[in-house]
Amino acid sequence: DIQMTQSPSSLSASVGHRITITCRASQSIGIYLNWYQQKPGKAPKLLIYTTFNLQVGVPSRFSGSGSGTDFTLTIDSLQPEDFATYFCQQSHTLPWTFGLGTSVEI
Amino acid sequence: EVQLVETGGGLIQPGGSLSLSCAASGFIVRNYDMSWVRQTPEKGLEWVSIFYSSDTTSYADSVRGRFTISRDNSKNTLDLQMIGLRAEDTAVYYCVRSSRGCMGSSGCLGDWGQGTVVTVSS
Repeated sequence: DIQMTQSPSSLSASVGHRITITCRASQSIGIYLNWYQQKPGKAPKLLIYTTFNLQVGVPSRFSGSGSGTDFTLTIDSLQPEDFATYFCQQSHTLPWTFGLGTSVEI
Repeated sequence: EVQLVETGGGLIQPGGSLSLSCAASGFIVRNYDMSWVRQTPEKGLEWVSIFYSSDTTSYADSVRGRFTISRDNSKNTLDLQMIGLRAEDTAVYYCVRSSRGCMGSSGCLGDWGQGTVVTVSS
């Protein structure tokens, strides 16, 4: 199975700041990397698919980049509603696997 | 509006069986690839199984031989039959619809239900 390693596991930031979360795959996955946001008690929500494509309705302050094994999720100008946990996931090879998440806190 | 509603979770003893169902509305289940994904605080998110629109299926190694995914076109539901349950199957189980436009992959998990809790304990 492809292992997905996210860092950091948690971070503290303020409204208006820019944050970056990284995700590393144990082998090359091309651009088959997706990002999800999850808030407490809710299901994950797809934010970005295939590395840089924003899901419909996702604000443009979210962006993704990378290829191969190294990927990043960037949130420009953090908003109060962005405080949540973010997961990366590879969709290159079954079984699809997820990172353990990055909790973004105030 | 796409809606997925899971039912069937509960408390079950080790070795027992349980069936989950996911009622879909706003779209036709047979036209999409549909998965079950589970989540625990300890292990995080884990993909469990997929039922492709082509009527083929696939399973995670951890559940193969114990779980069976199926689809009921008349009811527009996705189901998961689980036997031989173990403590490590304890999780929130989500029904998920794959998004299209995922560069040929079915792994862009675009629509999720609210989840149903399965607890395996004596």
